[in-house]
Amino acid sequence: KAGVTQTPRYLIKTRGQQVTLSCSPISGHRSVSWYQQTPGQGLQFLFEYFSETQRNKGNFPGRFSGRQFSNSRSEMNVSTLELGDSALYLCASSLQGQLTMSYNEQFFGPGTRLTVL
Amino acid sequence: AQSVTQLDSHVSVSEGTPVLLRCNYSSSYSPSLFWYVQHPNKGLQLLLKYTSAATLVKGINGFEAEFKKSETSFHLTKPSAHMSDAAEYFCVVTSNTGKLIFGQGTTLQVKP
Repeated sequence: KAGVTQTPRYLIKTRGQQVTLSCSPISGHRSVSWYQQTPGQGLQFLFEYFSETQRNKGNFPGRFSGRQFSNSRSEMNVSTLELGDSALYLCASSLQGQLTMSYNEQFFGPGTRLTVL
Repeated sequence: AQSVTQLDSHVSVSEGTPVLLRCNYSSSYSPSLFWYVQHPNKGLQLLLKYTSAATLVKGINGFEAEFKKSETSFHLTKPSAHMSDAAEYFCVVTSNTGKLIFGQGTTLQVKP
């Protein structure tokens, strides 16, 4: 089975622009979660989508949004980019998602490294 | 609220010597705990998980961790380090809503 894929792998934007990142989960996985990784804040949960619905959300401003399509692929959008948005954005997929009673392993993609100038 | 603290930001060992990466957690309920590893320019890979079964958990690549409720610890160990173990390691706890809460990470350096 192919793993989680993220595109693009690297992205350079300027302040004020917007950006869209894409994540294709493992075939059959219905849950996609997004994380932001920075040297200062570490790994922080952004949101989770399951069957096209946002099911869980971290503490990020409304500039960060996402969606999931019927084939479980997910996109994350950041509007009005700030310098502090420079980070590695990781996507993870799992079979049933985070709200199941037993843990479903999350499989991570390689990430998209976003640089905001 | 759940939280996790990795006690060392950087650990350096010689190849062939034991590895100990320390993690303490805080949780108001019985937690699920994990260790993930991240090699440079790669995503995270699950090493092992504790989900209230056996307290000594064995993972991939010879790693294991012991859940100690009395000490609120979940330290990661390996008897003999290999050069390929050099990476960043994350201790993770689940929140009561299922979110993964990551520690700040420990960079493991393995010297030849």
